Amino acid sequence: QSALTQPRSVSGSPGQSVTISCTGTSSDVGGYNYVSWYQQHPGKAPKLMIYDVSKRPSGVPDRFSGSKSGNTASLTISGLQAEDEADYYCCSYAGSYTHVFGTGTKVTVL
Amino acid sequence: EVQLVQSGAEVKKPGESLKISCKGSGYSFTSYWIGWVRQMPGKGLEWMGIIYPGDSDTRYSPSFQGQVTISADKSISTAYLQWSSLKASDTAMYYCARLGTSSSSFDYWGQGTLVTVSS
Repeated sequence: QSALTQPRSVSGSPGQSVTISCTGTSSDVGGYNYVSWYQQHPGKAPKLMIYDVSKRPSGVPDRFSGSKSGNTASLTISGLQAEDEADYYCCSYAGSYTHVFGTGTKVTVL
Repeated sequence: EVQLVQSGAEVKKPGESLKISCKGSGYSFTSYWIGWVRQMPGKGLEWMGIIYPGDSDTRYSPSFQGQVTISADKSISTAYLQWSSLKASDTAMYYCARLGTSSSSFDYWGQGTLVTVSS
């Protein structure tokens, strides 16, 4: 199981949109609709932001959205806010109750 | 309220053994998988393995198979991660997390346990 591939960093100004990609294989991202996204602020535990590709847990702002095409999933943050500056990780189910995380992306709000 | 409370930070020497814990509350502990995630200093999240406390069914990432042992004691709603012989490269923050209803994502996380291995 290799880590899913994410860009090291993305940035945007307040109010803009940014999209983070997460590329895997047909054995993980492409094989199941079970991609989740986590936000991690420095020194804090990760927080679930998106599950099952595009579903938002209660309390997560609707400016966070997820999608998938083939072996690549994406997280879009619309209307970027200062508090969105954090590290973001994708995670995919990989069969037999195993999962694999992405390499992580640092989002910077300019 | 669902909570996962992990044991405190540990400082160990290479070769020593260690067992850290994760106590669940506010939900049926035996009905949800619990996973362990490693985060080395300044690095990303790594999926280590998971356990179903109801029957102790355990799955490991190939990267961690044989390196750690995951267990659970359902009588006290606690999951464990243990090492028999620590290495300096085991220095990291370790998180436990609950696999949610659809078993597809970690919906609740512990606060993390920092393990430092140094001679």
